[in-house]
Amino acid sequence: GQNIDQPTEMTATEGAIVQINCTYQTSGFNGLFWYQQHAGEAPTFLSYNVLDGLEEKGRFSSFLSRSKGYSYLLLKELQMKDSASYLCAVRDRPQGHSGYALNFGKGTSLLVTP
Amino acid sequence: DTGVSQDPRHKITKRGQNVTFRCDPISEHNRLYWYRQTLGQGPEFLTYFQNEAQLEKSRLLSDRFSAERPKGSFSTLEIQRTEQGDSAMYLCASSPPQLTEAFFGQGTRLTVV
Repeated sequence: GQNIDQPTEMTATEGAIVQINCTYQTSGFNGLFWYQQHAGEAPTFLSYNVLDGLEEKGRFSSFLSRSKGYSYLLLKELQMKDSASYLCAVRDRPQGHSGYALNFGKGTSLLVTP
Repeated sequence: DTGVSQDPRHKITKRGQNVTFRCDPISEHNRLYWYRQTLGQGPEFLTYFQNEAQLEKSRLLSDRFSAERPKGSFSTLEIQRTEQGDSAMYLCASSPPQLTEAFFGQGTRLTVV
């Protein structure tokens, strides 16, 4: 199993930068995913990290440190539409009939204010 | 539309009835997942298919739940004798063989009254 921790809520100002942290414990790491989820909608895929380092995709970047069991999602030039829940998900390395799932944290609710 | 498709989008049913949901994954994706999500929580894993084989089932998946993917393409999730606690959003996701991304469908929102 896994233990995935994210802050419950964050608030940031339009135009600013915000960093959402995720820590995890896993027996056999096989990838970390970030998703954005607006209220009442399905999660939208943002990023995937399997090696240490920073992956940049437009205004969003995701960082991974496997040795520390740590990732963050960085959102730049915040816009009001970025107000959403941000979900961190980790996958184990499959062993037999287990480990295939993406295991999600509870999500971080981000509020962007004017 | 080449995304993951789920049907129906909404379902209201009486307690004790059976319901079935369908998921059509992205066509080249051989991996398919079912999740359940309740308000304020992250998605909870239910089951996983690789092609037509159901390789993993969560302990959350009681005997009343069954999932199939008969030809390795679309999948169905059936809940028998629904209970009020089954009310949730049921999400389907698919991944390519390389496991580098996983895309969700819009979900089926189930309300048991």
